[in-house]
Amino acid sequence: AQSVAQPEDQVKVAEGNPLTVKCTYSVSGNPYLFWYVQYPNRGLQFLLKYITGDNLVKGSYGFEAEFNKSQTSFHLKKPSALVSDSALYFCAVTAPGGGSYIPTFGRGTSLIVHP
Amino acid sequence: DTGVSQDPRHKITKRGQNVTFRCDPISEHNRLYWYRQTLGQGPEFLTYFQNEAQLEKSRLLSDRFSAERPKGSFSTLEIQRTEQGDSAMYLCASSGEGANTEAFFGQGTRLTVV
Repeated sequence: AQSVAQPEDQVKVAEGNPLTVKCTYSVSGNPYLFWYVQYPNRGLQFLLKYITGDNLVKGSYGFEAEFNKSQTSFHLKKPSALVSDSALYFCAVTAPGGGSYIPTFGRGTSLIVHP
Repeated sequence: DTGVSQDPRHKITKRGQNVTFRCDPISEHNRLYWYRQTLGQGPEFLTYFQNEAQLEKSRLLSDRFSAERPKGSFSTLEIQRTEQGDSAMYLCASSGEGANTEAFFGQGTRLTVV
């Protein structure tokens, strides 16, 4: 079965500093990886995805993520955090080749950006 | 099309009552998912439709839960004989063809069973 781990329940950074939110995955076959953001009492919003090709993918609001096959990781990054980035972040995986085409989500990481 | 919409946004019900939620996906999307989310957890898969066919259902899903997607358009999720443990946010998402397409989520229906 496929799974996603987000090892940090919470990440705190100061505004203007770089941020990293970690994600590791476990699948059979090649993964498709996604990051979503959730603001309070709202549904999830898509940020970016890795399908194939360049390991560094860029997404909405200045976020990017790096796929590392050897470490089975897909960490979310942003060079300079904003207070408005404070939200819940979820990593998700699908693996139609050997796992499931249905997105499996991690438990989420709460990002807090303080002024 | 303004995205995925869910109705109602909030539902408070007494234990033992039945509830039904509705989801209207993005019109050109043939895939529709239902997830449940509780505080501090990520979305937990409940069931999946491709067009009108319910192709997968979580093994964790009680038989009190049933979902339909008539004519491959909107979907309903019904919970019969609600229990306090059913209190959660119920999320609907839709996507286009292919496992490499991102899902678009509705704002969710928050269910409180008292």
